[in-house]
Amino acid sequence: SQKIEQNSEALNIQEGKTATLTCNYTNYSPAYLQWYRQDPGRGPVFLLLIRENEKEKRKERLKVTFDTTLKQSLFHITASQPADSATYLCACDNYGQNFVFGPGTRLSVLP
Amino acid sequence: DSGVTQTPKHLITATGQRVTLRCSPRSGDLSVYWYQQSLDQGLQFLIQYYNGEERAKGNILERFSAQQFPDLHSELNLSSLELGDSALYFCASSPNIILNTEAFFGQGTRLTVV
Repeated sequence: SQKIEQNSEALNIQEGKTATLTCNYTNYSPAYLQWYRQDPGRGPVFLLLIRENEKEKRKERLKVTFDTTLKQSLFHITASQPADSATYLCACDNYGQNFVFGPGTRLSVLP
Repeated sequence: DSGVTQTPKHLITATGQRVTLRCSPRSGDLSVYWYQQSLDQGLQFLIQYYNGEERAKGNILERFSAQQFPDLHSELNLSSLELGDSALYFCASSPNIILNTEAFFGQGTRLTVV
């Protein structure tokens, strides 16, 4: 069956370190993969999109990689700050129909 | 502000009742998506409309229905409500049906069924 897994439910890191979040998918062949940030009680906010033919995408302190062989995307936040604390969601396109979201990883950046 | 407006923000209703959630997409966006988010389920895709037509359907219950009107706003109707329908309901919009662009989410409607 189709499944999207994100490495852990929660991740705690120290301020200034790099946070690495993992998204693994099964029985999808996404042409696109997106990452969103969600704060409690609010709607998700788009961060980055990466295409299947792109290995890596960067935006300021954010970096996303996409490995279609491993069926995995990694999301990195460098020089993390307490303001980066939120839940991060990955989303795979479902055969061009719509986006399906993973369960999310709750990141806490400790000062 | 994403430009997507959802009303109401909060809704408390009793089991068995029917409610309507409303979504106004960003100006110019033709696609509207509805998602349900409960504590133990994450964001679940319900249904997508594009320019008034149903485009894709997810795990939407038969008690739920939606439509998109000529002015592109959308409504999600939930009927015969059960306690388990309590959740945050999000609407998102995007310019078209090609998935190479971001989706813009509204702030959600928090539905509580008592």
